[in-house]
Amino acid sequence: GAGVSQSPSNKVTEKGKDVELRCDPISGHTALYWYRQSLGQGLEFLIYFQGNSAPDKSGLPSDRFSAERTGGSVSTLTIQRTQQEDSAVYLCASTPIINTEAFFGQGTRLTVV
Amino acid sequence: GENVEQHPSTLSVQEGDSAVIKCTYSDSASNYFPWYKQELGKRPQLIIDIRSNVGEKKDQRIAVTLNKTAKHFSLHITETQPEDSAVYFCAANRGGSQGNLIFGKGTKLSVKP
Repeated sequence: GAGVSQSPSNKVTEKGKDVELRCDPISGHTALYWYRQSLGQGLEFLIYFQGNSAPDKSGLPSDRFSAERTGGSVSTLTIQRTQQEDSAVYLCASTPIINTEAFFGQGTRLTVV
Repeated sequence: GENVEQHPSTLSVQEGDSAVIKCTYSDSASNYFPWYKQELGKRPQLIIDIRSNVGEKKDQRIAVTLNKTAKHFSLHITETQPEDSAVYFCAANRGGSQGNLIFGKGTKLSVKP
């Protein structure tokens, strides 16, 4: 079946503009994660959704970042008033149940100019 | 907050040698420890995982060991091959049953033929 799908694959935006990144997890997966990966760097946790529980937003770097997950499926990560330091690959992952293999999407490469 | 430390950040070995990557975690409730491999330009993929009820797990040339008392776990790759060259990430779940995965900063492994 289809894996985790992210769109767009690439996004170039001007500094100060808002962007929305989309993640379609594998159908039926209850947990969804967003990570940020700067060039040559590690996987920085941003936010975690698990079922109907309140999301863990502790990784969001500033109040310009927000995310929601509608209907327990699709998730959108929104970055307001983008800055150059927001440039990175944003990765989404989902798992069928907690503490099992996380399947990653191909990522969205965001470039802020 | 909960932290996962990973060492070394880079590792270079000759083909056929063994490679060892070490991680420590801070959350005593963590009970799930996966390892991911990320090849250049690709998404991270699970290669092996271990749960806190076992001390060691092996899958062909790769093995993972866990020391709960010391809060550290290690990845061992034997008989390394050039195709093992990649970035390897360890992770631990935050809060045990919560399932949120926190990753180490990664180890870039280079296997020289």
